[in-house]
Amino acid sequence: EDQVTQSPEALRLQEGESSSLNCSYTVSGLRGLFWYRQDPGKGPEFLFTLYSAGEEKEKERLKATLTKKESFLHITAPKPEDSATYLCAVGTGYALNFGKGTSLLVTP
Amino acid sequence: DSGVTQTPKHLITATGQRVTLRCSPRSGDLSVYWYQQSLDQGLQFLIQYYNGEERAKGNILERFSAQQFPDLHSELNLSSLELGDSALYFCASSGQGLNNEQFFGPGTRLTVL
Repeated sequence: EDQVTQSPEALRLQEGESSSLNCSYTVSGLRGLFWYRQDPGKGPEFLFTLYSAGEEKEKERLKATLTKKESFLHITAPKPEDSATYLCAVGTGYALNFGKGTSLLVTP
Repeated sequence: DSGVTQTPKHLITATGQRVTLRCSPRSGDLSVYWYQQSLDQGLQFLIQYYNGEERAKGNILERFSAQQFPDLHSELNLSSLELGDSALYFCASSGQGLNNEQFFGPGTRLTVL
């Protein structure tokens, strides 16, 4: 059975304190690894798609990387506006199978 | 703004009732997906439609049904509602091909009392 596990469940950072979020997965046939950002009460906002091990993508202070078993979302010098829940999902054919997310709080 | 619209934003109803949630996909997207998000379960895939036809089913209850109309908007019907159906319901859309990025709407918050 496909599984997506995100860690940590919650992370508190000081502004400017870089860190990484982890997404480990087991899936029979990976068809994309997706990262989303979700603010409270809002719909998930698409960030990145990664398709093959070794692939990296960047957007502002965020950088996503992919290996055969996990993906990392690196946050460099975060700001308070980066506070949100970050969701990881694997493509399994037609649907996305989501992890439960990492809730990130960045304090000034 | 993702370009996906959902109505209503909030819905409060009683157990045993039936409700309809509506979604309009991004312009040009043929696929519509429905997801349920509750505090303990996270985002769960319910069902997908592609150009009017059901394409895939996830953990959708028999009390729930959906359809996609010729203008590509979709409706999710929830009947015989139970307290446990209270959740956020999201619609997402994507273009052609498997596992293109899915773009989510703002969601409908359903509260069953």
